Amino acid sequence: EIVLTQSPATLSLSPGERATLSCRASQNVGSSLAWYQQKPGQAPRLLIYDATNRATGIPARFSGSGSETDFTLTISSLEPEDFAVYYCQHRANWPLTFGGGTKVEIK
Amino acid sequence: EVQVVESGGGLVQPGGSLRLSCAASGFTFTDYAMTWVRQAPGKGLEWVSAIRTDGSTKYAESVEGRFTISRDLSRNTLYLQMNSLTAEDTAVYYCAKTYGIWYFGLWGRGTLVTVSS
Repeated sequence: EIVLTQSPATLSLSPGERATLSCRASQNVGSSLAWYQQKPGQAPRLLIYDATNRATGIPARFSGSGSETDFTLTISSLEPEDFAVYYCQHRANWPLTFGGGTKVEIK
Repeated sequence: EVQVVESGGGLVQPGGSLRLSCAASGFTFTDYAMTWVRQAPGKGLEWVSAIRTDGSTKYAESVEGRFTISRDLSRNTLYLQMNSLTAEDTAVYYCAKTYGIWYFGLWGRGTLVTVSS
């Protein structure tokens, strides 16, 4: 099973600041990685797939980078609605797994 | 409107069974693989099971042999039959439609399953 480790667990930032979230895979997943955003009481929302591609309707301030075992989600300038929990997920093999999440909170 | 809506959650005793349903609408159900993902209270996301367009299935090790995913193409409905439930199965269960290959682009609001005596 591929383990995805996200860091930091919590990121305290102010609106307008840049957020950098990390996801590290225990094995090479190529570019087979996605990022999701989840707000309290809501279902997750797909942001990035195949490591770097924004899903339909996702604002350009969200970007993904990385390959193999090290991946980054960057939010260039935090909007108030961006404060949420973010998860990475791989699809390289079975079982599919998610990272433990990074909470982006208002400082 | 393109959506998936889960139902069937509730309170069940340890060792009991429950069947979850996921009604799909607004898209061609037969064209998409589907999946179940769960989230225990205050915890992260855990993939549970998936069904391909050809009907073949995959399961997480934690539910293999106890849960069965299926679909009724005539009803555009996905199911998750859950047997031998334990407290560790307590979670919100989400149904999701794939986006590309095994990413999840459309999620329902979830249905809560509570396993407790």
